[in-house]
Amino acid sequence: NAGVTQTPKFQVLKTGQSMTLQCAQDMNHNSMYWYRQDPGMGLRLIYYSASEGTTDKGEVPNGYNVSRLNKREFSLRLESAAPSQTSVYFCASSEMASGDSYEQYFGPGTRLTVT
Amino acid sequence: DQQVKQNSPSLSVQEGRISILNCDYTNSMFDYFLWYKKYPAEGPTFLISISSIKDKNEDGRFTVFLNKSAKHLSLHIVPSQPGDSAVYFCAAANSGYALNFGKGTSLLVTP
Repeated sequence: NAGVTQTPKFQVLKTGQSMTLQCAQDMNHNSMYWYRQDPGMGLRLIYYSASEGTTDKGEVPNGYNVSRLNKREFSLRLESAAPSQTSVYFCASSEMASGDSYEQYFGPGTRLTVT
Repeated sequence: DQQVKQNSPSLSVQEGRISILNCDYTNSMFDYFLWYKKYPAEGPTFLISISSIKDKNEDGRFTVFLNKSAKHLSLHIVPSQPGDSAVYFCAAANSGYALNFGKGTSLLVTP
């Protein structure tokens, strides 16, 4: 099992360019998430998809769009990149919490620089 | 307004001793609490979680304690090993979906 995979690993964009970050999971999880991490900060939620066919905004959704392509894949699109979107982006997946435990698994991250 | 706070940016512990990482939260609706370990240039790795109906959960060298009345949780690592040196994030979820993260505590375990 690869777990959660993300592509690309690194990307440099010019202001105004667009790109799509890809994420896939092979754990058959229903829920998927996009977070960003800035220096000295914890991770902040951009968008999430509780189940296939649904998406919802998180704490910092401005400037982003998402697509839940199928149960495995959840993509994040920057339509017009800005320097403030320079960050490390993490995708995650989980099943609904049940009983005593809840686990959410993360991908390796995409390091994006916008100049 | 940050709902999950890790007030110690860094902690240094000798190998073999106990490491105690602390976390406070403000939202009483959180029902699951998770700890992650993160190495540079990697994604967070899940360590251990606890639900709000429990006050302790153990997994090997890792134990998480939850004090709901104080809105406080802690992660104990015993014994600490040099490979435990990393940034540790506390996170909390409401109804078991998206996580709210603290800013992290950098743990250094010295030989």
